[in-house]
Amino acid sequence: AQTVTQSQPEMSVQEAETVTLSCTYDTSENNYYLFWYKQPPSRQMILVIRQEAYKQQNATENRFSVNFQKAAKSFSLKISDSQLGDTAMYFCASIQGAQKLVFGQGTRLTINP
Amino acid sequence: DVKVTQSSRYLVKRTGEKVFLECVQDMDHENMFWYRQDPGLGLRLIYFSYDVKMKEKGDIPEGYSVSREKKERFSLILESASTNQTSMYLCASGQQYEQYFGPGTRLTVT
Repeated sequence: AQTVTQSQPEMSVQEAETVTLSCTYDTSENNYYLFWYKQPPSRQMILVIRQEAYKQQNATENRFSVNFQKAAKSFSLKISDSQLGDTAMYFCASIQGAQKLVFGQGTRLTINP
Repeated sequence: DVKVTQSSRYLVKRTGEKVFLECVQDMDHENMFWYRQDPGLGLRLIYFSYDVKMKEKGDIPEGYSVSREKKERFSLILESASTNQTSMYLCASGQQYEQYFGPGTRLTVT
């Protein structure tokens, strides 16, 4: 069975700093996808970034990038030049085959002014 | 933009009541999902559906059932609500590997 683990329940940084959120996963499949979702306070969950396991190149979306280490089954999210609007719960998730997402426990990120 | 709506943002029910949570999507997606979100546990899949009138159990289906009579609507049913079902419930719809989430329903069972 797939498992996803986020070992940082909470993190806090100053505005404009760079922050990295950690995620490890376990799967026996070769073909899968990995995601980072963001859930702002009292707002809907949205997709931040997606990585396809067969692609070696790390995905990037503006200030958000991932460090995908397939052999180590690690998938961290880096947020550069953090902004107050980045304050949210962040969930790492994986999906394979039957399109069932498996989520980590979440990391509550606070960006301080 | 994809829109997934849920019938209530907040709901308070009594133990033993039958509870219906409704979810509607407007993007003609085949797949719909119900999750519950609890602190420290992330999101856990309750049920999902690949097509009208089809349903599959997720990881924690006990105490829940679902209904999908129309493609755009996916209902979660708590047959007899219990206090341990107090939680945030999130609906999602999608195709391929993308899922889009609704705003969530925070259910309190007293």
